[in-house]
Amino acid sequence: DQQVKQNSPSLSVQEGRISILNCDYTNSMFDYFLWYKKYPAEGPTFLISISSIKDKNEDGRFTVFLNKSAKHLSLHIVPSQPGDSAVYFCAAGGTSYGKLTFGQGTILTVHP
Amino acid sequence: DGGITQSPKYLFRKEGQNVTLSCEQNLNHDAMYWYRQDPGQGLRLIYYSQIVNDFQKGDIAEGYSVSREKKESFPLTVTSAQKNPTAFYLCASSVGGANVLTFGAGSRLTVL
Repeated sequence: DQQVKQNSPSLSVQEGRISILNCDYTNSMFDYFLWYKKYPAEGPTFLISISSIKDKNEDGRFTVFLNKSAKHLSLHIVPSQPGDSAVYFCAAGGTSYGKLTFGQGTILTVHP
Repeated sequence: DGGITQSPKYLFRKEGQNVTLSCEQNLNHDAMYWYRQDPGQGLRLIYYSQIVNDFQKGDIAEGYSVSREKKESFPLTVTSAQKNPTAFYLCASSVGGANVLTFGAGSRLTVL
């Protein structure tokens, strides 16, 4: 039972354009959501998070949107840069849940 | 410099052998986690520990064992009972449960 799903295995974007990565979840107990970025043979690094009391959180070029009724979140990267090319994981957790559940990841490639 | 140290980075094992992966953190975090990454499957939780001398099974604990005798250390043993041990293993820690995780650089285990 996959509680966090990233249905797009890969995404290709031109430099300077917007990248939109999507994530769906099924567990209503989740109240905290995060995005991580991962390069090959390295550990994931934290990018941005959002709690369920908000519907948007912004940090520089990165914005995360949360639609609780649809159980959907998305990460927008504007403008995209070649250095953004990596695997992006969404993750979900809860204050009483004790652990994070990760999606399968989306490979983002930004072309110069 | 605070962080998580995983060793070894690469490990080769013959079938039937147990192997232990080391994870040490100097972040003074209470909770520690072990995840496994396989292509196309994202990060799956093996074990986690929210306090010294206590740990819980994650989603794929079969064939693995852990201990948490010290706050800063959370070693993972991959036993011969694990059917498909070849994978990239990631250790993480957090201040508390369901919080932002800090990851180590990972250990790649290959069974020959």
